[in-house]
Amino acid sequence: DTAVSQTPKYLVTQMGNDKSIKCEQNLGHDTMYWYKQDSKKFLKIMFSYNNKELIINETVPNRFSPKSPDKAHLNLHINSLELGDSAVYFCASSPLVDNEQFFGPGTRLTVL
Amino acid sequence: DQQVKQNSPSLSVQEGRISILNCDYTNSMFDYFLWYKKYPAEGPTFLISISSIKDKNEDGRFTVFLNKSAKHLSLHIVPSQPGDSAVYFCAALISGSARQLTFGSGTQLTVLP
Repeated sequence: DTAVSQTPKYLVTQMGNDKSIKCEQNLGHDTMYWYKQDSKKFLKIMFSYNNKELIINETVPNRFSPKSPDKAHLNLHINSLELGDSAVYFCASSPLVDNEQFFGPGTRLTVL
Repeated sequence: DQQVKQNSPSLSVQEGRISILNCDYTNSMFDYFLWYKKYPAEGPTFLISISSIKDKNEDGRFTVFLNKSAKHLSLHIVPSQPGDSAVYFCAALISGSARQLTFGSGTQLTVLP
């Protein structure tokens, strides 16, 4: 059973489109995250979210918005896609009282 | 402004020898440190961690050392195995509600048979 899963694994789209990436965790964790790995391979936090609090990294454009229908899911919506949004996006989760985070396999987004 | 730095982008080690991966940080508020291992086309996998109240944590072949005064940590793998070949990321966080990881740029470890 996959602990943290993401769909799709690959996403190719045109500039200006709106797209979503889905994330699900079956670990019963309270907190979920989105990270972006850019072309230089840096992994950078975008959001952390639990059912009480959303923490947004101030460098993330407001075209990016997380949506959490329930505790097991945190989807990432991206409006008006730009070339610079091309990257690998990783979802992660962790228990409320633990620091270890468990990552999904990543979604490679390519904006043409 | 990189708060977590891994200055060696790559490291090659012979099988059976020790691998030492280094990491430096600048933010003295970090109080928890983690090492992740990443294979191509997969997500990072948690390897080992250490709290700032400790200076060493060991788990099988993996040991992490923390030198708070130098703001430096290292991961030792002994003995190294070919299956250890991967990118290793150092990460740090400030315990609390956000617990967002700040990652280093990674070190590609290659263990030669």
